[in-house]
Amino acid sequence: QQQVKQSPQSLIVQKGGISIINCAYENTAFDYFPWYQQFPGKGPALLIAIRPDVSEKKEGRFTISFNKSAKQFSLHIMDSQPGDSATYFCAARPKHSGNTPLVFGKGTRLSVIA
Amino acid sequence: GAVVSQHPSWVICKSGTSVKIECRSLDFQATTMFWYRQFPKQSLMLMATSNEGSKATYEQGVEKDKFLINHASLTLSTLTVTSAHPEDSSFYICSARATGGRMNTEAFFGQGTRLTVV
Repeated sequence: QQQVKQSPQSLIVQKGGISIINCAYENTAFDYFPWYQQFPGKGPALLIAIRPDVSEKKEGRFTISFNKSAKQFSLHIMDSQPGDSATYFCAARPKHSGNTPLVFGKGTRLSVIA
Repeated sequence: GAVVSQHPSWVICKSGTSVKIECRSLDFQATTMFWYRQFPKQSLMLMATSNEGSKATYEQGVEKDKFLINHASLTLSTLTVTSAHPEDSSFYICSARATGGRMNTEAFFGQGTRLTVV
């Protein structure tokens, strides 16, 4: 079964610090790796995504680092703010997926404290 | 990004009644929609994959007679929880994947529906 393993389960970061969330996948049958941000009582919202032919993608304070050989990818949130406090999910899309759903990690609850 | 509208945002119903949740893609056509259930502090649990004009594919352990899914058009899928019981209380989320072009890799989520069965 295809899996995406996400860590840590929860994370507390000081305001202005860097939040780092890691994900690893077990096989090479994925070709798209999005990150979702979810606030309580809301649906997940696409935050940033990367394809495996790129090692890094940056959008504002959010950066994805991708290590294809290690089958790992991570989300870095620079200058973390209290408004970033949410649950973050990494995901992976199977190749040639058609109507195959994304495979999600178990999520990381981020708390940014002042 | 594309917009997926889910309605209602929350609903309270009596045990034994049925509840319908709608998921609409507002500005794109979605051949495929997914329905998830999420328990507190947990990840999304896929319930079923819905394809326009055909029967939904349910995940193992999900009762298809209890969770009726209809995907009658490229912009609308519905989930009906039949004969709801308190254990069906949960957060239900739909997701739609756009067809064709650059958007066909991304999945867009609705805002979720909080169902409480009393």
